[in-house]
Amino acid sequence: GESVGLHLPTLSVQEGDNSIINCAYSNSASDYFIWYKQESGKGPQFIIDIRSNMDKRQGQRVTVLLNKTVKHLSLQIAATQPGDSAVYFCAENKDTDKLIFGTGTRLQVFP
Amino acid sequence: GAGVSQSPRYKVTKRGQDVALRCDPISGHVSLYWYRQALGQGPEFLTYFNYEAQQDKSGLPNDRFSAERPEGSISTLTIQRTEQRDSAMYRCASGASTEGYTFGSGTRLTVV
Repeated sequence: GESVGLHLPTLSVQEGDNSIINCAYSNSASDYFIWYKQESGKGPQFIIDIRSNMDKRQGQRVTVLLNKTVKHLSLQIAATQPGDSAVYFCAENKDTDKLIFGTGTRLQVFP
Repeated sequence: GAGVSQSPRYKVTKRGQDVALRCDPISGHVSLYWYRQALGQGPEFLTYFNYEAQQDKSGLPNDRFSAERPEGSISTLTIQRTEQRDSAMYRCASGASTEGYTFGSGTRLTVV
């Protein structure tokens, strides 16, 4: 399969630690944000989303934080596991406008 | 079907030939997106549809690229007179802004 994330920033964490992946988005008018996980050889997989009227949303082991003042989005993964190793992308969207992806971050989990 | 289906999974074509890539979205999804993804990079927006209307095609690289979704369901991305630089993974996604977007497995296009 293809290899994703050959030239992307890399975050290395130990299994069991928490991970924080950051993203700066570009359009201050964007009102919907999504985090995707992409494993090697696969398409992007939806993780969690958040609307601009919220600043925090929690899922199972994941939390997304939104700071509209500085146009910053973060993904927190609790108790990181080897299966979390992948490239993570944030994406932004306004109403029914196009979904634009940011620069990805490769997460490496080591034992 | 249960997910977004793309065909073919792999396509090898000679330079100068036309290719048509197909996307069958999740039933009922209004929005359908086409992206191109090069190795080591994030998905690059090409074009998208709401129902059968092409809302934005600003990401199409040049006029050799076109897309249609005539009945608001299946979409076809056509590349005419392919060039080696067109080689990439082409991904389709469908969904609605209230529920995220689901990606297909993609079509790996190789122009030789």
